[in-house]
Amino acid sequence: GENVEQHPSTLSVQEGDSAVIKCTYSDSASNYFPWYKQELGKRPQLIIDIRSNVGEKKDQRIAVTLNKTAKHFSLHITETQPEDSAVYFCAASITTGFQKLVFGTGTRLLVSP
Amino acid sequence: GAVVSQHPSWVICKSGTSVKIECRSLDFQATTMFWYRQFPKQSLMLMATSNEGSKATYEQGVEKDKFLINHASLTLSTLTVTSAHPEDSSFYICSARDPQGGGTEAFFGQGTRLTVV
Repeated sequence: GENVEQHPSTLSVQEGDSAVIKCTYSDSASNYFPWYKQELGKRPQLIIDIRSNVGEKKDQRIAVTLNKTAKHFSLHITETQPEDSAVYFCAASITTGFQKLVFGTGTRLLVSP
Repeated sequence: GAVVSQHPSWVICKSGTSVKIECRSLDFQATTMFWYRQFPKQSLMLMATSNEGSKATYEQGVEKDKFLINHASLTLSTLTVTSAHPEDSSFYICSARDPQGGGTEAFFGQGTRLTVV
């Protein structure tokens, strides 16, 4: 089955800096890669996602890159703000047949003012 | 986007009792729903896939007789934690995908914080 690894487990940056979180996946059949932000006690919130037919996607300060050959994808947050502080999870899935999402281990991002 | 509602948001129960958690898709029909468990400072771990009108599919290591799943309608799946013990205390969260919306994005319920005392 799919296995998703994520690092770093914690990331501390100064406000305004960039943050990068990396994930690798094992199943070459996976074709959908979402990123979630989760605040304490809340549900995960989708912040950006990418399909395997695209190499990069950007939404304002957030971007995701995908390298299918290497089976890894990354989240890039630019101009970080204190409100970006949260736990971020990557995930991988096969989109056909409502396949399950497999989550990475999570990255705790702390943005200091 | 589509809405998934989970109830209750939190529950405290005595050891040995059973607790039922409901997951509803409010504006779409979900033939498949997923149940996750999240321990403090850990990731979401899939427990089981709930299939409308058929038996749930459990992940390895998840006791199907302890975590009963019923998906009796296209908008409701329930998870019952039977004979709960303190080690079952966790954050339980469900998700579903909207087939009319392309079926890609997963929508999550707000989660249920279970505390067994």
